[in-house]
Amino acid sequence: AQKVTQAQTEISVVEKEDVTLDCVYETRDTTYYLFWYKQPPSGELVFLIRRNSFDEQNEISGRYSWNFQKSTSSFNFTITASQVVDSAVYFCALSEDLNYNQGGKLIFGQGTELSVKP
Amino acid sequence: NAGVTQTPKFRVLKTGQSMTLLCAQDMNHEYMYWYRQDPGMGLRLIHYSVGEGTTAKGEVPDGYNVSRLKKQNFLLGLESAAPSQTSVYFCASRPGLAGAETQYFGPGTRLLVL
Repeated sequence: AQKVTQAQTEISVVEKEDVTLDCVYETRDTTYYLFWYKQPPSGELVFLIRRNSFDEQNEISGRYSWNFQKSTSSFNFTITASQVVDSAVYFCALSEDLNYNQGGKLIFGQGTELSVKP
Repeated sequence: NAGVTQTPKFRVLKTGQSMTLLCAQDMNHEYMYWYRQDPGMGLRLIHYSVGEGTTAKGEVPDGYNVSRLKKQNFLLGLESAAPSQTSVYFCASRPGLAGAETQYFGPGTRLLVL
């Protein structure tokens, strides 16, 4: 069965620290997509990144980086030099069903609440 | 381009009352989804639609109905609200194309059932 686990419920860091949010997934498919979304205190869900299962290259976008390792079924997210504005709940998600017969729905992890203190 | 919008933003219902949540998207997306978000549980799929006139059940469909009469709108109905349906409801949409799997979310509707 498909499943996404974010074992860290809450993380608290001081500004400028680096922080890594863990995501472990389970899937029976060989082809799938992984996502990270950010939910700031205002409540909306902001798309951050999409990664397909054939691309294990790490990705960097400014202070954000993502490490995808199929061998450990993990898709971890690192924020370098964290800032107060990074405070949010972060969700990891998995999408299977790339034939779209079932709508390509997302399976979400429980979310990690990151608090960055000044 | 407003993206995905949801109406209302917040609503209080009494047990047994009914209501409809409206989701609208102006991106000509084929697929639309309704999720609910509860503390510690992430988002869970209620119902979804792969095109106008079609709907299907997700992970937690009980107590909800949906309709997709127009491509741009996806309605979520609660026929007889229960306190267990207190939640934040998110609508999402995406194109029905290979390589376009990213879902874009609306701002959410906060529902309180007393």
